[in-house]
Amino acid sequence: GQQVMQIPQYQHVQEGEDFTTYCNSSTTLSNIQWYKQRPGGHPVFLIQLVKSGEVKKQKRLTFQFGEAKKNSSLHITATQTTDVGTYFCAGGSNSGYALNFGKGTSLLVTP
Amino acid sequence: ETGVTQTPRHLVMGMTNKKSLKCEQHLGHNAMYWYKQSAKKPLELMFVYNFKEQTENNSVPSRFSPECPNSSHLFLHLHTLQPEDSALYLCASSHLRDRYPRAFFGQGTRLTVV
Repeated sequence: GQQVMQIPQYQHVQEGEDFTTYCNSSTTLSNIQWYKQRPGGHPVFLIQLVKSGEVKKQKRLTFQFGEAKKNSSLHITATQTTDVGTYFCAGGSNSGYALNFGKGTSLLVTP
Repeated sequence: ETGVTQTPRHLVMGMTNKKSLKCEQHLGHNAMYWYKQSAKKPLELMFVYNFKEQTENNSVPSRFSPECPNSSHLFLHLHTLQPEDSALYLCASSHLRDRYPRAFFGQGTRLTVV
């Protein structure tokens, strides 16, 4: 079945440094979604990418979808303490609508 | 608030107890999901319901029994659980009119089995 791998598992940065998390799928995805879960909270939808090679930006966050639609990345420029949390990618398949989530990358930002 | 409400928020139960988790969504969605979130594991999809019909059961042990009486409510009935079942149980909903539905999560039930 479809597997979504995400690296790194943890990342600790100083405030102001950049951060990137990567997501790879064993199969071609119909779309990729990114979610953020704050400590003690629940996953909250951030963005969805559908087209091959698509790039989307949300303020300091940049999301990319690979040309083969098998990988994706989330890059945060100049991290802030409010960026702390776990970032999950979730892949959609072409055979169903349920999402397969990666293990997530837990980001810790120290002032 | 997310529009997806889960109760209770915290639950401690013994291995011989029977309890139920409840989820209600106020978003007019027609698909509902149960996910299990354990430490060091990805979000594990347990069950999927589409218009009250179960469409996926990802090899979940029978001690977990879902119920979906209508498209707004979802239950997870628990009995004779094991300590390794302790986890955060998340309910989510989505609308299948969207080509690529996104998930709206509830705040979860933190379950501890003692």
